[in-house]
Amino acid sequence: DVKVTQSSRYLVKRTGEKVFLECVQDMDHENMFWYRQDPGLGLRLIYFSYDVKMKEKGDIPEGYSVSREKKERFSLILESASTNQTSMYLCASSLWTDQSFGNTIYFGEGSWLTVV
Amino acid sequence: AQTVTQSQPEMSVQEAETVTLSCTYDTSESDYYLFWYKQPPSRQMILVIRQEAYKQQNATENRFSVNFQKAAKSFSLKISDSQLGDAAMYFCAYRSPYGNKLVFGAGTILRVKS
Repeated sequence: DVKVTQSSRYLVKRTGEKVFLECVQDMDHENMFWYRQDPGLGLRLIYFSYDVKMKEKGDIPEGYSVSREKKERFSLILESASTNQTSMYLCASSLWTDQSFGNTIYFGEGSWLTVV
Repeated sequence: AQTVTQSQPEMSVQEAETVTLSCTYDTSESDYYLFWYKQPPSRQMILVIRQEAYKQQNATENRFSVNFQKAAKSFSLKISDSQLGDAAMYFCAYRSPYGNKLVFGAGTILRVKS
């Protein structure tokens, strides 16, 4: 079975702190994603990566950065946490897109971040 | 840009009965993929069913089936013989064949009554 593991399920951080959210997948997937989930807004893409050291901005990248030094690991960084970044963060991974077939995207269990 | 709309914030169904969750989307692309994901209280997203837009036949996975109406840009999920374990948040999602990202709707909470 595919496993996407997020290192922290629940975090509480102070405004202005630097926050790292880690995600590891064990299926040699090329693509990795970070989403945030907010009530009434669904999931919104923050960043994604299609290869080591490669990244692309999603729909809401402001206030976030990412790092992908190894294929299996994708980190989300909040440089200076703010209260409006309190949310559920979901990591996901998938194989490289094949334009003939839709590839399934696998999600982790999520990380609840509260910024106070 | 593509958008996905789920107009039902919450739905309820009696155990063993059938329920349909609605999803509409907006796109100018002719080929794409559509998905339904289930998110139980554990928060892990689980793929329920997917549909390729070029396929006219509606996808089916056991008790789950879709009604895909391409011209109307509608993609509803039907759950037959509902079970308590079906209670969850359900997300409809769209993916372009030319990109890697999914566009999600806001979700529908499904409650199953015993």
